[in-house]
Formats: sequence, structure tokens, C-alpha cells
Amino acid sequence: GAVVSQHPSWVICKSGTSVKIECRSLDFQATTMFWYRQFPKQSLMLMATSNEGSKATYEQGVEKDKFLINHASLTLSTLTVTSAHPEDSSFYICSAREGAMNTEAFFGQGTRLTVV
Amino acid sequence: QKEVEQDPGPLSVPEGAIVSLNCTYSNSAFQYFMWYRQYSRKGPELLMYTYSSGNKEDGRFTAQVDKSSKYISLFIRDSQPSDSATYLCAMKAAGNKLTFGGGTRVLVKP
Repeated sequence: GAVVSQHPSWVICKSGTSVKIECRSLDFQATTMFWYRQFPKQSLMLMATSNEGSKATYEQGVEKDKFLINHASLTLSTLTVTSAHPEDSSFYICSAREGAMNTEAFFGQGTRLTVV
Repeated sequence: QKEVEQDPGPLSVPEGAIVSLNCTYSNSAFQYFMWYRQYSRKGPELLMYTYSSGNKEDGRFTAQVDKSSKYISLFIRDSQPSDSATYLCAMKAAGNKLTFGGGTRVLVKP
């Protein structure tokens, strides 16, 4: 089946530094990728929708200058958390939409970010 | 009021029992209904996908959608300890983003 690979699975960084998270669709072309954030025991909150070759669409309340999204190819989207702070510590998950399906069927394994 | 309501649980059942999960929603524009399973510290895995009202069965899983009541259900037959996870309902209107329920934590005891 289709696979979405997310890397790294966990990362610890110092306050003020930037962290890049990669999301790859391994065996299909993902015209649209989605980035979510999940706090402990809570559901997924959509941060932004990433379309290949165009600017990402951010949800209300998400700082686009802090969470930089790049979707340069049909198989890769990246999320960069810039000038990270402890409150950015969370579980970040990407998902990818395959062209023929009308839903996001495939999620990455998630990235646990801890900012110290 | 949240668009999608889901009891957080935890729901504890003995092995072999039927697990019954449900979500209610308020947006009548929702047409696509999904159930995901999420293990701790992992991404969600799609279990069932239903368009509009009706029932859908896949192995031990049965999904039901009642649009008139704005209510969806997931049943897991012959539950196994490996079914212990958090189950998320999600739904969307055509062309829109997914809206998730808060998730129900399920524990199947051997």
C-alpha cells in the first residue's frame, strides 16, 4: 500500500534554533499534503495545507513565518519550525492525498519535537 | 460546541467483545466519513472510509453513517489486545479539509 515517510521521528533542539521535518510520499504522487499538530491526549489540529508548486494555505492562528512549509515536488513537503520555543514542543504529523481519492488516506508516522 | 463530538473514553472491553464507537456532528455539509486508528506516538492509520449514509463492512470492522441523525459508528468484532489504540473519527465536506473528533481510547484486555 501507499506509504508516507516522515523524518525525523523525534528531535530535541535548543530554544531559538530551527528544525526541519520532511514528509515524503514513497510510491505515489501527492499533489496535496497536510501538516497537523497534536498535543497529548488531544486530536489532530490542521496547521496548513501544502500544494505542490504553490504557497501553503495556513489555518487561522498559525504563524506562517514561524512554520515554514515548502512543497517543492510531488513527493516531498517540508515543515520548518523557526526560532523554536518550548511551547512549540508537540507531535507534528503530515498526511498526503493521492490524486484519485477524496480524502487523506495516508499519514506519516509523526515527529515528536521537544524544545529545551 | 465542537463540530465533531467523540467520547474520549477510555473504553475497556474484554478480548473477544464487540467494541462500539461513535461520533456526532453538527455540520450537515459533511459527506465523507472516516475512521482512523492511532497507536501511541504514531500517525493515524485509515480503517474505514464511507461516502454519505449507509453501512460498510471490512473484515472485523463495520462503519455506519446516519446523516439524518448526524451520527456515525464503528464496530469492531472479536476484539483483540492489538486493537488497543485511540480511534479517531473524521469527516469532511466536498473539497474541504478533514475535521477530526477528539478520539476515543480503547483498551482490550486479554
